[in-house]
Amino acid sequence: SQQGEEDPQALSIQEGENATMNCSYKTSINNLQWYRQNSGRGLVHLILIRSNEREKHSGRLRVTLDTSKKSSSLLITASRAADTASYFCATAVSGNTPLVFGKGTRLSVIA
Amino acid sequence: KAGVTQTPRYLIKTRGQQVTLSCSPISGHRSVSWYQQTPGQGLQFLFEYFSETQRNKGNFPGRFSGRQFSNSRSEMNVSTLELGDSALYLCASSPDREGLEQYFGPGTRLTVT
Repeated sequence: SQQGEEDPQALSIQEGENATMNCSYKTSINNLQWYRQNSGRGLVHLILIRSNEREKHSGRLRVTLDTSKKSSSLLITASRAADTASYFCATAVSGNTPLVFGKGTRLSVIA
Repeated sequence: KAGVTQTPRYLIKTRGQQVTLSCSPISGHRSVSWYQQTPGQGLQFLFEYFSETQRNKGNFPGRFSGRQFSNSRSEMNVSTLELGDSALYLCASSPDREGLEQYFGPGTRLTVT
């Protein structure tokens, strides 16, 4: 069963705009990760945030984590056409348990 | 370092047949996980191997099995294929014991007719 649920399911924006995707989950976690998948290909790890962290940055990516609300958000600033992809959040209950993925947000960035 | 490689990339099989998929992790990675991705169910965890031992298993029937070799390469096997097994099968490797961030291969697209 899906632990994470991304919102929205699909998002379409103009190049240069910011894109925000949200993820909600159900149980306590050890860490939450965001991945990107270009059409029908493998996933690429973007960022990992641990349960004791509130915010992390990596280039144009900013991830926040609110464990009290069991939610996370991924912000992509100044989006580019190359950012067009599906974005998944994945949670791990502990360090040795499998990642559980949400169904993803499909982002389209229009040039 | 070379990334995770999966072979074959595409496969077409008939119902009732069996199939074996192969995954070579990034050099030095000892954890290998397998996932099934379908439009309806999304990414579903199949199993994870670490140092040749199955460490975690997802909720899939016994027709799905896997193994890991001493060089960390992994195979998964699906016997008695069903139409619903058509999917993208993804392999991911991880560098450390706790299997944190995962590095995915390009996947094997299996079509069952």
